[in-house]
Amino acid sequence: NAGVTQTPKFRVLKTGQSMTLLCAQDMNHEYMYWYRQDPGMGLRLIHYSVGEGTTAKGEVPDGYNVSRLKKQNFLLGLESAAPSQTSVYFCASSGQLLYGYTFGSGTRLTVV
Amino acid sequence: KNEVEQSPQNLTAQEGEFITINCSYSVGISALHWLQQHPGGGIVSLFMLSSGKKKHGRLIATINIQEKHSSLHITASHPRDSAVYICAVTGNQFYFGTGTSLTVIP
Repeated sequence: NAGVTQTPKFRVLKTGQSMTLLCAQDMNHEYMYWYRQDPGMGLRLIHYSVGEGTTAKGEVPDGYNVSRLKKQNFLLGLESAAPSQTSVYFCASSGQLLYGYTFGSGTRLTVV
Repeated sequence: KNEVEQSPQNLTAQEGEFITINCSYSVGISALHWLQQHPGGGIVSLFMLSSGKKKHGRLIATINIQEKHSSLHITASHPRDSAVYICAVTGNQFYFGTGTSLTVIP
């Protein structure tokens, strides 16, 4: 089935550890996004990409890095995890900027 | 400051009831989205609209651009409609509301 796949679905990290979240889409979408969702705050944009090889900062980019080496993949990296990064992370893609989103199923990350 | 405000935050209804969820926004937009997030966490896009009204099954979404307001209606509600409904608007970026948690009791 076409869609957006996120891996892993769950992860527990210790403070200071690093990890990479993978987002893959098979819809040939140009645009991809990483969001975090925290209780009472709604979804907030971390970084986004408007095409292969491009990335841009969103609303809350500090502490995260991203890469879009292939059109179908968008990676979110945490170099040195902090408890404040405990959240649910959603990846999304769209064929046009900010239109017609398809979301992944989310990654629940806990930093202890 | 929240660019998108939803009401109510929480809603409990009996099966079969007509449900309305409201969304007000304060920024200029090109489109408004209604999203559904189930307890498992997955997010599904229900509607994208920039004017008027859209209907899909028992779901109806309306928008009034002049009043900067949208409503999501669910007719003949069912327990499987229990979810968090999120309003989001597309302006110069994407702004999300914090969601309305709906529980439909059999």
